Amino acid sequence: KAGVTQTPRYLIKTRGQQVTLSCSPISGHRSVSWYQQTPGQGLQFLFEYFSETQRNKGNFPGRFSGRQFSNSRSEMNVSTLELGDSALYLCASSLVGTGASWGYEQYFGPGTRLTVT
Amino acid sequence: DAKTTQPPSMDCAEGRAANLPCNHSTISGNEYVYWYRQIHSQGPQYIIHGLKNNETNEMASLIITEDRKSSTLILPHATLRDTAVYYCIAQGGFGNEKLTFGTGTRLTIIP
Repeated sequence: KAGVTQTPRYLIKTRGQQVTLSCSPISGHRSVSWYQQTPGQGLQFLFEYFSETQRNKGNFPGRFSGRQFSNSRSEMNVSTLELGDSALYLCASSLVGTGASWGYEQYFGPGTRLTVT
Repeated sequence: DAKTTQPPSMDCAEGRAANLPCNHSTISGNEYVYWYRQIHSQGPQYIIHGLKNNETNEMASLIITEDRKSSTLILPHATLRDTAVYYCIAQGGFGNEKLTFGTGTRLTIIP
């Protein structure tokens, strides 16, 4: 079974521009989460989508947004890029079910390394 | 999610068992203990998780104390490829898929 894929793998943008990152989860996984990793702040949760709905959100400004499509693929968008947005952006998918069930592991993609100049 | 505490770094000789401790004294009853690792510049990799019973898979064993306030991840025969940052995370509840990563333990396997 193919793993989580993220595109592009590397990206260089200029301050003020916007960027869209894409994530394809493992087949059958309906939950997709996004994380930002920087040397200073470590791994931080951005948001999570399940069945096309944002279910959890981290403490990031509104410039960070995302969406999920009916096939569970997800995109995240960062508008008005700042130098501090330079980071590794990671996507993870999970086979979370419905009803009162949890305890599912998350599988991470290789990440998109964004550099803002 | 409960806060977890891990030693910042550990060394282990190749071929020996690596025992990584984690303290999660404020863990609540519905929170699982998860372990992930991150090899340099790669995405985190899931290792194992458990609720209250000890767990074992092909990668590692997880020992959770009876009061659930701490746990130990055991890599039975460490290899150089096990050099990574290991994260212990307490997370749970349906609809709460957020993983709160701390600073983890940097494990170095010594040849």
